[in-house]
Amino acid sequence: ETGVTQTPRHLVMGMTNKKSLKCEQHLGHNAMYWYKQSAKKPLELMFVYNFKEQTENNSVPSRFSPECPNSSHLFLHLHTLQPEDSALYLCASSQDFGHSYNEQFFGPGTRLTVL
Amino acid sequence: GQNIDQPTEMTATEGAIVQINCTYQTSGFNGLFWYQQHAGEAPTFLSYNVLDGLEEKGRFSSFLSRSKGYSYLLLKELQMKDSASYLCAVLNRDDKIIFGKGTRLHILP
Repeated sequence: ETGVTQTPRHLVMGMTNKKSLKCEQHLGHNAMYWYKQSAKKPLELMFVYNFKEQTENNSVPSRFSPECPNSSHLFLHLHTLQPEDSALYLCASSQDFGHSYNEQFFGPGTRLTVL
Repeated sequence: GQNIDQPTEMTATEGAIVQINCTYQTSGFNGLFWYQQHAGEAPTFLSYNVLDGLEEKGRFSSFLSRSKGYSYLLLKELQMKDSASYLCAVLNRDDKIIFGKGTRLHILP
């Protein structure tokens, strides 16, 4: 399998549930990203990992907890979410972070609905 | 603050040419990207501009004017498959990518 994959593709959860989103990239990249895409809003960068180290946390609430065990895998752990957290969560990767030309390759996203 | 503006929606006819504009105000500038996103799919990279001028890539071209904080994406010989959202994104001086809300392009037969 190539590119950036994400599982699950769709997730429905209650506000008291705990779930995790998974992202895997097969491109040999060193940087990975989590984005949130809500209707009628721009893509919002949530977290950046470069060489497994978190380099960006864009003021994201603590109910979102990222984990990057290695440069190929990225998780987003979810707990006690709110209905307004319902959105498309996109994972992306790039060769590196911190260089000007930094084309990002996106996964297909996880459509999250919080009831 | 950081702001990227692009039209919300545009409509064009198959075979025609359309220009999607993007203006930006960001903390520094390290380049501008255009991405295409079909409904329900991931964004895919179209172009990157860091110097002023026009970059042509097949039916798609992207233009940048850094002094004006302005870019456009030009799509020629439009095809029905070009119906998608087009995202303008700027890399600021901290190498953080800031996305616009996207322009939804509708192609009519």
